[in-house]
Amino acid sequence: AQSVTQLGSHVSVSEGALVLLRCNYSSSVPPYLFWYVQYPNQGLQLLLKYTTGATLVKGINGFEAEFKKSETSFHLTKPSAHMSDAAEYFCAVSVSGNTPLVFGKGTRLSVIA
Amino acid sequence: GAVVSQHPSWVICKSGTSVKIECRSLDFQATTMFWYRQFPKQSLMLMATSNEGSKATYEQGVEKDKFLINHASLTLSTLTVTSAHPEDSSFYICSGRPVTGSVTGELFFGEGSRLTVL
Repeated sequence: AQSVTQLGSHVSVSEGALVLLRCNYSSSVPPYLFWYVQYPNQGLQLLLKYTTGATLVKGINGFEAEFKKSETSFHLTKPSAHMSDAAEYFCAVSVSGNTPLVFGKGTRLSVIA
Repeated sequence: GAVVSQHPSWVICKSGTSVKIECRSLDFQATTMFWYRQFPKQSLMLMATSNEGSKATYEQGVEKDKFLINHASLTLSTLTVTSAHPEDSSFYICSGRPVTGSVTGELFFGEGSRLTVL
C-alpha cells in the first residue's frame, strides 16, 4: 500500500522568500505523484503532477517539484512566495488509474508581509 | 476542462434529518467518483468509491447505511447522509476521474460541501 508523509504541518515564510514544502512517499511500484492546493472552504486544485519522464515538474502559479526516486521524495518549491500562496497544500500518490489517491496530512503555508 | 461541480456548498440541518449532496462532472464522463471527508485542519479521508451502475465500495469504518452513495450516470454521483447527527458535521468533497486519459490516477475535485448538523 502507498503512503505519503508531509513534514511540517505548518510552514511560515516571508513574502518573496523561498517556499519549500516537503513530501516523502512510500510505494512498492512506481508511483504517480501530485500536489494539490486547497483554499479555505474550497475543493482541491491540482498544482502539478509527476507521471513519467522528466523528474522536475513545473506547475501553475510558479510552483515546481522534483521527483527523487533515491530519496522517495517529491518536494514542492517556489522561488518567491506571494501572499496569495497562503493555503493548505496536499501531496498525494497513486499507482494506477484504478486506485484512489492517498493524501498526506497537508501543510498549511502562511506568508508574512 | 475537467470541472466537477458539487452542490450544495453549505447546508445546515437538524439532527435526525437526511441531506443529499450532488456531485456532477460537467465536461467529462466518470465511471468512478470518490467521496472524501475532511475534518477541520486535517487531511482528506476516503469514504467510498462510487461506481457508475453498481454499488459503491466503502472504506473500513464507514457506515454504508448512513452514507448512501448513488452513481446513476457517468456525470452524477450523490451522497446522502441519513439521520444526520452532529458528529456527521464535516466537509465532504467529491472527485471524479475521467473515463479516458487518466491512466495516472489524477482526480478532479468539486468545491466541497460544508455540512453542519444542529
